[in-house]
Amino acid sequence: GQNIDQPTEMTATEGAIVQINCTYQTSGFNGLFWYQQHAGEAPTFLSYNVLDGLEEKGRFSSFLSRSKGYSYLLLKELQMKDSASYLCAAMDSNYQLIWGAGTKLIIKP
Amino acid sequence: GAVVSQHPSWVICKSGTSVKIECRSLDFQATTMFWYRQFPKQSLMLMATSNEGSKATYEQGVEKDKFLINHASLTLSTLTVTSAHPEDSSFYICSARALSGAEAFFGQGTRLTVV
Repeated sequence: GQNIDQPTEMTATEGAIVQINCTYQTSGFNGLFWYQQHAGEAPTFLSYNVLDGLEEKGRFSSFLSRSKGYSYLLLKELQMKDSASYLCAAMDSNYQLIWGAGTKLIIKP
Repeated sequence: GAVVSQHPSWVICKSGTSVKIECRSLDFQATTMFWYRQFPKQSLMLMATSNEGSKATYEQGVEKDKFLINHASLTLSTLTVTSAHPEDSSFYICSARALSGAEAFFGQGTRLTVV
């Protein structure tokens, strides 16, 4: 079956670094997405990885290992506004997105 | 990024009535549109996938006669919740994807409350 696993909740301190992990099992693979979702709002796109390695985009970076079925989202210099849910989604061979349940990130001062 | 406009942002309707939600891609042609439902503190649940000009493909457990999806053009898809009941109250979100891209862009979402 197809499955995405990510932690339910994480807590971090303002100014620190946090890594949110995601493991996936899909029928075929066409890339891994990370989205940010604030409460009551639609998700917003953060990153897309289809090749192994690290993609850096400002304070956010995303890593992919296809052989391990593993990705992580790295957030640096955390700000209070980064408090949100972070959704991991893998695209299968039919180009359908398989969604994780999301990781709620709580930032403390 | 590309813009997807979803309307209305929120709606309150009486039980038994129907509600239509529109999803428009403003600056690209969306060959595929996805409709999701999200209950509080839960992840997105895919309801159906629609390709322009063809019938939508519904996920298991989603009633196609209750959730009518139309994707008549490359820039517009609609979801109609027919004979709405309080248990249909949820956050409905559309996303659209162009033929040439992998990324799906989300609309703002519609919060539906059925009273």
